[in-house]
Amino acid sequence: DAGVIQSPRHEVTEMGQEVTLRCKPISGHNSLFWYRQTMMRGLELLIYFNNNVPIDDSGMPEDRFSAKMPNASFSTLKIQPSEPRDSAVYFCASSLDIATNEKLFFGSGTQLSVL
Amino acid sequence: KQEVTQIPAALSVPEGENLVLNCSFTDSAIYNLQWFRQDPGKGLTSLLLIQSSQREQTSGRLNASLDKSSGRSTLYIAASQPGDSATYLCAVSGAAGNKLTFGGGTRVLVKP
Repeated sequence: DAGVIQSPRHEVTEMGQEVTLRCKPISGHNSLFWYRQTMMRGLELLIYFNNNVPIDDSGMPEDRFSAKMPNASFSTLKIQPSEPRDSAVYFCASSLDIATNEKLFFGSGTQLSVL
Repeated sequence: KQEVTQIPAALSVPEGENLVLNCSFTDSAIYNLQWFRQDPGKGLTSLLLIQSSQREQTSGRLNASLDKSSGRSTLYIAASQPGDSATYLCAVSGAAGNKLTFGGGTRVLVKP
């Protein structure tokens, strides 16, 4: 398996623009997580899905952030409008089943810079 | 609210020395604890997962212990190598189906 695949690897955009980050989880994994990593705050969980259903979005910072998982092999995280403080590395991760708390597998991340 | 702390934030050792990395958590009611490795510019790789009912897990040169009652876990890396240089993070899960809370990580440098 190729692992968790994220795109793009790097994104540079201007304040106010819409940003869409994409994730393909490992085939067969039922749970998908979006994390954000910054120097100041470390790793923060934004939202997670189980069987394509959002379970907990309490980490989503504002209404500007939204996430979808239309099917078992694809998820998006959208920021609209983007702001400089959104600059961070965004990671997607997947696991077999969150109910059994299996190991988490991370993608390589998307480095987002909002100018 | 669960809080996870890793001290020190950075550590430098000569090659061949054993590494001891510490992780502490405030709420002992955890479901499991995971240790991850992160290389610069990369994602996290899960190293070891310890269920709450377990005391330790081993994989090659890595050994992780868990003491729930004291809210501590320790990752031991035997005979360190320059390739072990990375940031090591621990994370705890509060209950089955719950999200992971991460520590801030310990950045390790193994000098040849």
